[in-house]
Amino acid sequence: AAGVIQSPRHLIKEKRETATLKCYPIPRHDTVYWYQQGPGQDPQFLISFYEKMQSDKGSIPDRFSAQQFSDYHSELNMSSLELGDSALYFCASSFGQGATNSPLHFGNGTRLTVT
Amino acid sequence: QKEVEQNSGPLSVPEGAIASLNCTYSDRGSQSFFWYRQYSGKSPELIMFIYSNGDKEDGRFTAQLNKASQYVSLLIRDSQPSDSATYLCAVTPGTGGFKTIFGAGTRLFVKA
Repeated sequence: AAGVIQSPRHLIKEKRETATLKCYPIPRHDTVYWYQQGPGQDPQFLISFYEKMQSDKGSIPDRFSAQQFSDYHSELNMSSLELGDSALYFCASSFGQGATNSPLHFGNGTRLTVT
Repeated sequence: QKEVEQNSGPLSVPEGAIASLNCTYSDRGSQSFFWYRQYSGKSPELIMFIYSNGDKEDGRFTAQLNKASQYVSLLIRDSQPSDSATYLCAVTPGTGGFKTIFGAGTRLFVKA
């Protein structure tokens, strides 16, 4: 079965650079979520989109932005990168108007390293 | 107080034993409860979900929910070394919608 696809798998950037992470949800899933997970930490909710509209916002820095496109894929744009942005970034998708009663299915993640 | 709390462990059990993982949550109106397994450096993988009070069984896994006590647990019977991972409890808050809140996870070691 098709899963959530994230690209790239690994990304190395320098401080103050920008990065773009991409996510392709499971076909027919209408909701996409972005999470950030630091070493030894739990996944922290950043932002979500339902039917191409932002649906909820968590601890996403102002330096980050995201959007969901007409084909339901999503991109997380990160600017003015800081060392503390180094983490695993997971995208997840679900079907049926959000997380209530609808388990999240995660992609394999993008490991971002900021040097 | 964190919205979802778990004992970070590590929890160590011998092979074949029952592993019991616990989770409490602060939002009394929380609606949906999930257990995810995460191997180091990998993405969380859904193990169980439960919405109603009581027990839900799936193979070697049993999820238990007690909304009055704001408590959800996961039992793993006949634990195997391959079960060694971090188990994340996740909750959707009472407002429902689009946010799933994760606990910090419990590290489980199953000794062969």
